[in-house]
Amino acid sequence: SQWGEENLQALSIQEGEDVTMNCSYKTYTTVVHWYRQDSGRGPALIILIRSNEREKRSGRLRATLDTSSQSSSLSITAAQCEDTAVYFCATDADQGGRALIFGTGTTVSVSP
Amino acid sequence: EAAVTQSPRSKVAVTGGKVTLSCHQTNNHDYMYWYRQDTGHGLRLIHYSYVADSTEKGDIPDGYKASRPSQENFSLILELASLSQTAVYFCASSDIQNTLYFGAGTRLSVL
Repeated sequence: SQWGEENLQALSIQEGEDVTMNCSYKTYTTVVHWYRQDSGRGPALIILIRSNEREKRSGRLRATLDTSSQSSSLSITAAQCEDTAVYFCATDADQGGRALIFGTGTTVSVSP
Repeated sequence: EAAVTQSPRSKVAVTGGKVTLSCHQTNNHDYMYWYRQDTGHGLRLIHYSYVADSTEKGDIPDGYKASRPSQENFSLILELASLSQTAVYFCASSDIQNTLYFGAGTRLSVL
């Protein structure tokens, strides 16, 4: 498997709280993608971080990448109910050099 | 307007029957993919293609065939559907930065 064993499967929080989810990967990658999947829909890219970046921000999202420990994290600041979704990390570890390998995902539930 | 469209959105098939899932993209992307989603397994790559008339195996190709007759169209074929192939199937295309654009998925139930 591309992924380590410590990926958290589900997180439940209340509106306004911060949440962080983690991914670890076993083989070298040049980029980590984070996708969000809403119920009944396909995943969509929310943030991408490359190996030459330690941190990347987009609105209330913050991604980190530690190539030495082969791990990445995604944080959501001041979570809102509409942040409820499944979040996947994915790397470009090789399948012909283009296909992404996805982790098992973290389900985030935000309640009012 | 959806750039990756899948059909059908849901399908009930009988064991041993043939199933064809279709995907059409208007992104003008060269790469297209078929992923399978099962609870607890995330998304797993079945087949992909980087040019018309050519397909490549992904991580779990057994029991599946793929067809790419044109840049826009990519099909997934289950010649002999089995119970274990009950899942949600996603098609995607990718841009030059390798960002994937997914369709809405096809929910397949094999009975």
